[in-house]
Amino acid sequence: EAQVTQNPRYLITVTGKKLTVTCSQNMNHEYMSWYRQDPGLGLRQIYYSMNVEVTDKGDVPEGYKVSRKEKRNFPLILESPSPNQTSLYFCASSFPGNTEAFFGQGTRLTVV
Amino acid sequence: GENVEQHPSTLSVQEGDSAVIKCTYSDSASNYFPWYKQELGKRPQLIIDIRSNVGEKKDQRIAVTLNKTAKHFSLHITETQPEDSAVYFCAASRPRGSNYKLTFGKGTLLTVNP
Repeated sequence: EAQVTQNPRYLITVTGKKLTVTCSQNMNHEYMSWYRQDPGLGLRQIYYSMNVEVTDKGDVPEGYKVSRKEKRNFPLILESPSPNQTSLYFCASSFPGNTEAFFGQGTRLTVV
Repeated sequence: GENVEQHPSTLSVQEGDSAVIKCTYSDSASNYFPWYKQELGKRPQLIIDIRSNVGEKKDQRIAVTLNKTAKHFSLHITETQPEDSAVYFCAASRPRGSNYKLTFGKGTLLTVNP
């Protein structure tokens, strides 16, 4: 089954404690991206990757890091989480161009 | 970069009525315009898309229209049903290999009242 898998689904952490949210896709997609969703602000892109070892900043990259060492995986790293990073996070993947983007199940992160 | 504006932010209709959501985009190089539906607690999923060489596309009760000159596109839902209640996002992107990026609007919360 074609899918994008994120883990964990829910996470509560404390300020400053490094965390990683994993994202994996099995569709051989070149393009992967991370979004955060906050009420009234829609889906804002954090980082995206056009292919292995090719990543670039989206609209709200501050406080986040990513890596793309393999085509199927695109982890999101918060080196020192802060409360303003409390949000719902989605990973998505697609073939770049005029094709459907597939989203993961979402990760609800709370930083206290 | 691309900027996608979406209106209205909330929309409430009676079951059976039509609903229209409008989006504008800024990048004239954008050529792909998908619409995603996000039900409560779920992930966004594609419901319909349109490419810039087409002016209108229909799929049962939903249709999308595109006006490239004015840089706007709209989602039309006819004969709305309670299960149409969700957040709808429009998006725009350039072609592959041309600084490709998928940019979303802020979303419209549609409520269909029985």
